[in-house]
Amino acid sequence: GDSVTQMEGPVTLSEEAFLTINCTYTATGYPSLFWYVQYPGEGLQLLLKATKADDKGSNKGFEATYRKETTSFHLEKGSVQVSDSAVYFCALSAGANSKLTFGKGITLSVRP
Amino acid sequence: DAGVIQSPRHEVTEMGQEVTLRCKPISGHDYLFWYRQTMMRGLELLIYFNNNVPIDDSGMPEDRFSAKMPNASFSTLKIQPSEPRDSAVYFCASRQSGGSDTQYFGPGTRLTVL
Repeated sequence: GDSVTQMEGPVTLSEEAFLTINCTYTATGYPSLFWYVQYPGEGLQLLLKATKADDKGSNKGFEATYRKETTSFHLEKGSVQVSDSAVYFCALSAGANSKLTFGKGITLSVRP
Repeated sequence: DAGVIQSPRHEVTEMGQEVTLRCKPISGHDYLFWYRQTMMRGLELLIYFNNNVPIDDSGMPEDRFSAKMPNASFSTLKIQPSEPRDSAVYFCASRQSGGSDTQYFGPGTRLTVL
């Protein structure tokens, strides 16, 4: 079945550091890929998405590229801010069933 | 648009009591999803509806859990009787078919069963 694997956390960075959060997936067909972010006490929000191979999703300085050859969708940001502290979820949607398959999530803490 | 609305935001109850969580999806969205989030198990899909019809309830943990969607603008998730291990944050999400497969999440209901 479909699955998403995220790197183990938590991750703690200093402000302005470079961020990479790894995500790999297993799916039949050609899934859409997503990064969702959950700020403390809130629901999940879509951060960015990509729907086909080599697409790059971007938002708020975050980027992720859909790599079919490595089945990956790593999240990157060149300079993190304290306000980026949150839980980040990688997810995929495959087929007509509309379900999202989520990774376990990773907690990012950015210190001033 | 107001986004997905969930109520209550917090619920504290005693073991054995009935709990009802409520969700109003974004207007025009024809899919509705119920998730549960815990530290141990992460984010789990419980059930989802399309056009008010339950499509997949394989994630519902046991018969104590039930969900309904009587119309396009309202859904409930009921736990009867509740148990301490049901303590979690429950999220509702909705999406619109025929285009983007992005799901939009509500703020969640934090349930504590004592």
